[in-house]
Amino acid sequence: AQKVTQAQTEISVVEKEDVTLDCVYETRDTTYYLFWYKQPPSGELVFLIRRNSFDEQNEISGRYSWNFQKSTSSFNFTITASQVVDSAVYFCALRGAYNQGGKLIFGQGTELSVKP
Amino acid sequence: SAVISQKPSRDICQRGTSLTIQCQVDSQVTMMFWYRQQPGQSLTLIATANQGSEATYESGFVIDKFPISRPNLTFSTLTVSNMSPEDSSIYLCSVAAANYGYTFGSGTRLTVV
Repeated sequence: AQKVTQAQTEISVVEKEDVTLDCVYETRDTTYYLFWYKQPPSGELVFLIRRNSFDEQNEISGRYSWNFQKSTSSFNFTITASQVVDSAVYFCALRGAYNQGGKLIFGQGTELSVKP
Repeated sequence: SAVISQKPSRDICQRGTSLTIQCQVDSQVTMMFWYRQQPGQSLTLIATANQGSEATYESGFVIDKFPISRPNLTFSTLTVSNMSPEDSSIYLCSVAAANYGYTFGSGTRLTVV
């Protein structure tokens, strides 16, 4: 079975603080893909990153960085110097290479509130 | 990557009625996915729609309640039938993009009163 766990339901920080959103996944597939999406109050899903299971290199994109560790089945997301515009719900998701027709399994989401 | 136009963006409907949600993709795609997001919850897959075959429904979702059409490789509809307040959710369509990515529609925010 595949599962994604985002243990942090809500996080509140003050602007300019760094914040890390945790994601732990379970899968028996040896090849799989992990994703992070942002959902602002307007409701659309904004793609942030996709990571393949065979690429453990961490990635940085501006204020965003991702730490992928297969040994602990984690794919954590850090926002550096947070801004009010970062306030949103963030979802981590998993897809196995050959699973169930390609559907995404989503975590429960972490609601991030960045206060000025 | 593909661009999806999803309509309507929001609607308020009376219980007992039905609403059809449309997704138009700007390129041909094999699989389209329909998700439901209940208030404050995560996304749950309703069904996978392939062109030329019946949609495949996930556990807990049935065709009579959520009929899906997929007449061609760029278009799909999801109907929410005989609605009740419990159907109030955001409904999103999605397509598999290149390199195992996914593109989502902008969502339909449904309120049933």
